[in-house]
Amino acid sequence: DAGVIQSPRHEVTEMGQEVTLRCKPISGHNSLFWYRQTMMRGLELLIYFNNNVPIDDSGMPEDRFSAKMPNASFSTLKIQPSEPRDSAVYFCASSLPTGYNTEAFFGQGTRLTVV
Amino acid sequence: GEDVEQSLFLSVREGDSSVINCTYTDSSSTYLYWYKQEPGAGLQLLTYIFSNMDMKQDQRLTVLLNKKDKHLSLRIADTQTGDSAIYFCAERGSSASKIIFGSGTRLSIRP
Repeated sequence: DAGVIQSPRHEVTEMGQEVTLRCKPISGHNSLFWYRQTMMRGLELLIYFNNNVPIDDSGMPEDRFSAKMPNASFSTLKIQPSEPRDSAVYFCASSLPTGYNTEAFFGQGTRLTVV
Repeated sequence: GEDVEQSLFLSVREGDSSVINCTYTDSSSTYLYWYKQEPGAGLQLLTYIFSNMDMKQDQRLTVLLNKKDKHLSLRIADTQTGDSAIYFCAERGSSASKIIFGSGTRLSIRP
């Protein structure tokens, strides 16, 4: 398996534009997480899904952020409109089903810069 | 809510042991993890421990868990320059719950 795949790796956009980050989890994993990493706040959990259903989105900063998981092999994180303070590295991670050691496997991240 | 705390920086001399500490608040934590992040990369699992264990050793790595104090530590023996990275502590209450990470400890190695 290629691991968790995120795209794009880098994104530079202007303030006010819509940004969509994409994630393909490892096949067979049923939990998917979106994290944001900044120097100031460390690694924050934004939202996580189990079996494609959002379970906890309390970490989503505000209404400008939305996440979807239309099927078991794809998830998106959308920011609309984007602001400079959204600049960060966004990580997607996935983990195995119940009963296994449920460590999270991380993608390489998307570095977002909003100017 | 759940919280995981770590010190931000640690500097050790090459060849010495490094000890990175972590505290967590969720008493129902079942899985506790240590991840390593190298520059420009994602996080990779180093080791993990179940809450019913006190210690786990894996080559140069030793994990100690004090469940009563909710304290987790990672000891790296004979620290090398390649160990320079950010180390994250993380906890998970159950196999279906969210994984909460600490802020990460940046380990730097002095010659």
